[in-house]
Amino acid sequence: GQNIDQPTEMTATEGAIVQINCTYQTSGFNGLFWYQQHAGEAPTFLSYNVLDGLEEKGRFSSFLSRSKGYSYLLLKELQMKDSASYLCAVKDSNYQLIWGAGTKLIIKP
Amino acid sequence: IAGITQAPTSQILAAGRRMTLRCTQDMRHNAMYWYRQDLGLGLRLIHYSNTAGTTGKGEVPDGYSVSRANTDDFPLTLASAVPSQTSVYFCASSTTSGAYNEQFFGPGTRLTVL
Repeated sequence: GQNIDQPTEMTATEGAIVQINCTYQTSGFNGLFWYQQHAGEAPTFLSYNVLDGLEEKGRFSSFLSRSKGYSYLLLKELQMKDSASYLCAVKDSNYQLIWGAGTKLIIKP
Repeated sequence: IAGITQAPTSQILAAGRRMTLRCTQDMRHNAMYWYRQDLGLGLRLIHYSNTAGTTGKGEVPDGYSVSRANTDDFPLTLASAVPSQTSVYFCASSTTSGAYNEQFFGPGTRLTVL
């Protein structure tokens, strides 16, 4: 079967750095996405990785290792507004997205 | 209209009733999707459409139907609602050409079936 694993919840301090991990086992791989979802709102796109390595976009970076079935999202200089759930999703061999359950990130002052 | 809209925002429905959730996008995206999101579970694909006139089944299609008469609209119908269909429903759309075709989501419909 297909599986995406992420930690359920993480806590970090304002101004710090946090890394959210995602491991996956899917039938085929056509890219990995990270989305942010604030409580009660829709998911919004953060990043996309299809090749191994690090993609940097401002305070957010995403890393992929296809051989290990592993990705992480790195958030730097955390702000209170970063409190949200972060969803990892893999595009499988049918080009459909398989979603993890999400990691709820709590930022403390 | 800017992006994707969904209606209604929320609904309480008696079991056995028929209900259609509406979704409209103005981005001229070819592909559209319906997901449900339940606590502790990832988004699960119900149905999708890669282009107007075609639809396909996702991971959890039972009890739901869709149609895609044109590019902009993608309604989801529950023929006879059951309590297990209580969920938050998200409609999404994407292009089918380009580098990665990220999905854009509507604001969601919170549905409670009693």
